[in-house]
Parts: sequence; C-alpha cells; structure tokens
Amino acid sequence: GAVVSQHPSWVICKSGTSVKIECRSLDFQATTMFWYRQFPKQSLMLMATSNEGSKATYEQGVEKDKFLINHASLTLSTLTVTSAHPEDSSFYICSARGAGVGTDTQYFGPGTRLTVL
Amino acid sequence: SQQGEEDPQALSIQEGENATMNCSYKTSINNLQWYRQNSGRGLVHLILIRSNEREKHSGRLRVTLDTSKKSSSLLITASRAADTASYFCATDANTGTASKLTFGTGTRLQVTL
Repeated sequence: GAVVSQHPSWVICKSGTSVKIECRSLDFQATTMFWYRQFPKQSLMLMATSNEGSKATYEQGVEKDKFLINHASLTLSTLTVTSAHPEDSSFYICSARGAGVGTDTQYFGPGTRLTVL
Repeated sequence: SQQGEEDPQALSIQEGENATMNCSYKTSINNLQWYRQNSGRGLVHLILIRSNEREKHSGRLRVTLDTSKKSSSLLITASRAADTASYFCATDANTGTASKLTFGTGTRLQVTL
C-alpha cells in the first residue's frame, strides 16, 4: 500500500513553454503533498507544501508564479512549471502524507526528470 | 540553511562489509528518517526513529539517534551489491501547522563484488 505515482516520468520541452507534472496517491487519501527539486548529485530541496483545497505554502526563494501548484483533490496534486528555462531542468519529486498510512511518513513518487532545451 | 550534513559524502566498500553513514542536523526534531535513492529514481523509506528513541533495527539496518549531539547514524551490515545507492537522512521538525522533512546532503554508497 501507500503508493504514489508521477506522470510523466520524463519530459523534454522547449524554453518558454509550460510543463505540468501530476502526482497521485493511488491507494490512500493524501491530505498533504510536498514538491521537491533535486539537481544532479545533490539532495532534495523542498519547494512547497500543499494541503487539499487550500493554497500551497512555498519555501523561501521559490517563485510561486513560476511553479504553480494545485491540490484540488485528496489524490491529485499538480506542479506546473511556467515559461520553463534551461535552469529549471531538474528532477522533480512529489511526496504525500495522509490519513491511515502513518502520518509521520511521507511516501515518495518515482520522480519526473525535466529537461528544458 | 537548515539542511543537515552527512558524512562521508561517498563510501566505497566490498560486499560483506558493514557501511556506516552519519547525519548531523541543526534543529530540534520530532523524528529522523533515512531514505535510499537509486540513481535517477525516487526515494525509498528505510526507517524512522523518534526523538525519544535511541536505537532502532530493521533487518540489516541499525539506526542510532543522539539528540544531545543532534546526530544519527545508519549502519548497514553485511552489505550487498544491491545496496549501492545514495542514502539520505531527513529530519521532521514540526515547526508549525504542517511538519515537513529537511533532507541531508546524502552519502553515495558503492558496494563492489
């Protein structure tokens, strides 16, 4: 149980376009979802925290107008990278925490590799 | 930055040997968690130790926590080639209405035959 999926697993786009990444909790209700970014050979950096039905809370230094997060249901959160540039190329990972699956534990998706040309 | 530090940054051992990774953090915590990440993949949760616990075991994994020193260690015994991965500690500080994880810098473990 406690499976989190991400789609797509990888995406290549042109500079200036927008990319949407989906994060789904498959077998539990995710009351809170988190979005992380990871550059090569580096650690995960939290970008934002979202609770279902409310606005996301962004970490310092993360542009909320560039990284749009929507958590419209208890099983789906989306991250849209708007007007992507090459420096946005990274590995984006979501995680979810929810009721009935151990509230201390975050379950991570497999990640989405974004390459902006 | 509130990010924790892990050492060593990289560790290379032979199969059958033990691997020890250390994690230091800066704030008070509710719990500390260890994760494994294979190259280019998502994270796999290994073990969680609460702030009132000092040691925890899970299979070949042994985790210790010293809150007075703000440090933790992960020991993998009898390592296997399949243990090759990056290992991250993450602290849950519960600073507000929603607790969140802060990840350490990671240790890249290479287990050779």
